[in-house]
Amino acid sequence: AQSVAQPEDQVNVAEGNPLTVKCTYSVSGNPYLFWYVQYPNRGLQFLLKYITGDNLVKGSYGFEAEFNKSQTSFHLKKPSALVSDSALYFCAVREENPGSARQLTFGSGTQLTVLP
Amino acid sequence: DGGITQSPKYLFRKEGQNVTLSCEQNLNHDAMYWYRQDPGQGLRLIYYSQIVNDFQKGDIAEGYSVSREKKESFPLTVTSAQKNPTAFYLCASSIRGPGGFDEQFFGPGTRLTVL
Repeated sequence: AQSVAQPEDQVNVAEGNPLTVKCTYSVSGNPYLFWYVQYPNRGLQFLLKYITGDNLVKGSYGFEAEFNKSQTSFHLKKPSALVSDSALYFCAVREENPGSARQLTFGSGTQLTVLP
Repeated sequence: DGGITQSPKYLFRKEGQNVTLSCEQNLNHDAMYWYRQDPGQGLRLIYYSQIVNDFQKGDIAEGYSVSREKKESFPLTVTSAQKNPTAFYLCASSIRGPGGFDEQFFGPGTRLTVL
């Protein structure tokens, strides 16, 4: 079975400082990994994904994520946080399995607050 | 939220009533999904559809029903059999079906409250 964990419910960071939102996953084979962001009372917006290739993935709004197979992690990072980055962040995973209809599994979310 | 619309934004229901949530997309995506979001939890899949006239149960399908008569539309009915329907409901779509690695695009959501 596939699963994903976001160990921190809440992350606070000062504006201008680097931020990290953690995600670890568990799959039987190779993973497809995604990060989404949700602003209050809105739908989710896609930030970035890892399919294969370079372990460092760059996405929207200056975010990036590093795939680490040995640690089964896919942490979201940004070098300099903005107050407008404050939102709920979701990590999601599904196992690479051509022809399978296995669905995305979402983490429980991490609330990021960037303090001015 | 571009390309996917959900209506209404807020919906109030009395116990024992069925209600239907609308989801429309103009992205020409094959696959569509319905998720339920509760506070402190991730998204849970209710139903998904890979093509017109076909849909599959997700993890929490009991008390819900769907139809996919048109590629653009995937309405969700919350029936009186759903014991705890108060939640935020999100519709999504992707270019191809769930077996691929395409990202999903989400609508703005409908907040359903049972009175």
